[in-house]
Amino acid sequence: GEDVEQSLFLSVREGDSSVINCTYTDSSSTYLYWYKQEPGAGLQLLTYIFSNMDMKQDQRLTVLLNKKDKHLSLRIADTQTGDSAIYFCACPSGGSYIPTFGRGTSLIVHP
Amino acid sequence: NAGVMQNPRHLVRRRGQEARLRCSPMKGHSHVYWYRQLPEEGLKFMVYLQKENIIDESGMPKERFSAEFPKEGPSILRIQQVVRGDSAAYFCASSPETPTAPGNTIYFGEGSWLTVV
Repeated sequence: GEDVEQSLFLSVREGDSSVINCTYTDSSSTYLYWYKQEPGAGLQLLTYIFSNMDMKQDQRLTVLLNKKDKHLSLRIADTQTGDSAIYFCACPSGGSYIPTFGRGTSLIVHP
Repeated sequence: NAGVMQNPRHLVRRRGQEARLRCSPMKGHSHVYWYRQLPEEGLKFMVYLQKENIIDESGMPKERFSAEFPKEGPSILRIQQVVRGDSAAYFCASSPETPTAPGNTIYFGEGSWLTVV
């Protein structure tokens, strides 16, 4: 299977919370990242979490890390239409510490 | 401080031609990474370079693809004799430290979209 897995789609109503999930395989991962990609654009680093933390909050974003289950999630509070994009989880793997990306979760926010 | 700059943003090549994609890292960054994003897929790591050295090319196809990061000038990803399957978005990223450095963060460019006709 893939080193980093994400569900492909998430649809939410404007104002609700969005939770995007990610699982990874490499237990040596130190920093785990979330990136956002808007159509036709590059990747914007949203946030990252160190592997010895279990939670990090940054304004509307909350990252939760369950290291035992190798599960990472990104919660976006009060989701807005401008949050519609593809969200990528990235975890260093293979001992090289170079991030391996999931396939991305397309977040669709509807009124 | 300008971000990671890639050019061209869009490139069209006929089968058999060569494609050259350029990447200027952020100021002060000496570590460059190239990723490829095929349609409706995630990003796949291709190569990691430091100035004048290829550190990890485990994701590079064995033939037709090459990368360099000279002492002066941008990093270049070169694809010879392009085929339709090379059509993709190619992203360059840079970082100030090695991937193993604590807190090292990697910043991406806007990408170069290659279309092979």
